[in-house]
Amino acid sequence: QKEVEQNSGPLSVPEGAIASLNCTYSDRGSQSFFWYRQYSGKSPELIMSIYSNGDKEDGRFTAQLNKASQYVSLLIRDSQPSDSATYLCAVRQFWAGGTSYGKLTFGQGTILTVHP
Amino acid sequence: DADVTQTPRNRITKTGKRIMLECSQTKGHDRMYWYRQDPGLGLRLIYYSFDVKDINKGEISDGYSVSRQAQAKFSLSLESAIPNQTALYFCATSDLEDSGANVLTFGAGSRLTVL
Repeated sequence: QKEVEQNSGPLSVPEGAIASLNCTYSDRGSQSFFWYRQYSGKSPELIMSIYSNGDKEDGRFTAQLNKASQYVSLLIRDSQPSDSATYLCAVRQFWAGGTSYGKLTFGQGTILTVHP
Repeated sequence: DADVTQTPRNRITKTGKRIMLECSQTKGHDRMYWYRQDPGLGLRLIYYSFDVKDINKGEISDGYSVSRQAQAKFSLSLESAIPNQTALYFCATSDLEDSGANVLTFGAGSRLTVL
């Protein structure tokens, strides 16, 4: 099983719809979860981080975390063509001893296309 | 100027050649990372460094080596390049401690093709 696995894509949604991106992780000790967006030919950029169970909203983006189910998702409301990109889920584990060294494990990415 | 600068941006080389990818940063971050990206595989960590005297292997370090010449410089070397090292390579930096976010700042990427 991959450490971090994202729903297979590509995902295509019409403009104005809700895009739902999902990610599961295998390490129950994982503490921090991130969503990065990567436009074609560009480097990844952080769009959301979440640390506690529940929802976290930022504009049109909502991250959802369920540690019991080892599941994190990203919802994009009112999707726009400019949201078309690859979305990368990243999970940070804590090393033994409880100190985070910032090592992130990324999922394989989900390609999202928002069509007019 | 970019916070994290990678050179070269594109490189085509032949099997068996030695290649160095360079990364420099103006963020003042202690932590630096090298990732490679392949289609359908996401980003995979090659090496990481928490300070000048600290170097650690990531999940796919075989065939690679690194050098942390200074706080601001972290180089990735392929001693004898092979075709399956053809990929997009990213350098990234982050703060010493999380500040609640542990944001990675990525360079623009170096596309390497090994023929």
